[in-house]
Amino acid sequence: ETGVTQTPRHLVMGMTNKKSLKCEQHLGHNAMYWYKQSAKKPLELMFVYSLEERVENNSVPSRFSPECPNSSHLFLHLHTLQPEDSALYLCASSQTNKGHEEAFFGQGTRLTVV
Amino acid sequence: AQKITQTQPGMFVQEKEAVTLDCTYDTSDQSYGLFWYKQPSSGEMIFLIYQGSYDEQNATEGRYSLNFQKARKSANLVISASQLGDSAMYFCAMMISGYSTLTFGKGTMLLVSP
Repeated sequence: ETGVTQTPRHLVMGMTNKKSLKCEQHLGHNAMYWYKQSAKKPLELMFVYSLEERVENNSVPSRFSPECPNSSHLFLHLHTLQPEDSALYLCASSQTNKGHEEAFFGQGTRLTVV
Repeated sequence: AQKITQTQPGMFVQEKEAVTLDCTYDTSDQSYGLFWYKQPSSGEMIFLIYQGSYDEQNATEGRYSLNFQKARKSANLVISASQLGDSAMYFCAMMISGYSTLTFGKGTMLLVSP
C-alpha cells in the first residue's frame, strides 16, 4: 500500500454533475491537504485539515466542499463545476501542520470538466 | 507574502552529468523551510530534500544536494550523475514556521537524454 492513495485517478464530469474525490493516508499523519495543479501555474493550496478540523480555506469557491470524517480520510465534493476547474487535484498529508515536516502526496486525480 | 521563483521552464542534461535547478524565494520571515519535490508523469509529488533556514550545512540526500545561499535567498537543487529516471517536473517549495501553507514555484521540467 502506498502512503497516500487517491481515487479515482481520472474523472470526466459535466458541469451539472456531482462527484467526490477521495484521499486516504496510511501514514498515521494528522494533517491533510487538498491542492489544485493547473497547467502552467504553481500548485495552489485549497484546504487544510488538522486533527479533522478545517484550519485553512484558501478562498476556494463553494462548488468545492471538503470533508474530513477522520484523520485517515479526506474527501473533496464537487458540484456545478466550470471548465476552468479542470486540473490535477492532489491530496497530501503530514505529521503536523505547524512545522517543517515534509508533506507526502498522492498521485492525484486528473479532473476534466466538460 | 511568500513567493517562490523558478526561472527555468525546462532543462536538458545528458545521462551521468550533473545539473542545477534554480530556485529563489522571497519572505520576510526568519524561520522557514525549503523543499524540493519531483513530479513524474504519473502525477505523484515525491519529496526529495529539505533545508531549514537555520541549518548551517547544505542538505544532501544521496544524489541530491541543496545549494542554500541565505543572503541571496536561493535554494538551488543539484542532481549529480543524472539518470534517465530523473526526467520529471521539479518543484521548489517553502513553508513558514508555524504555518501550514506550502508555497510552490511553477516548476522546472528536466529531461535526461542517453
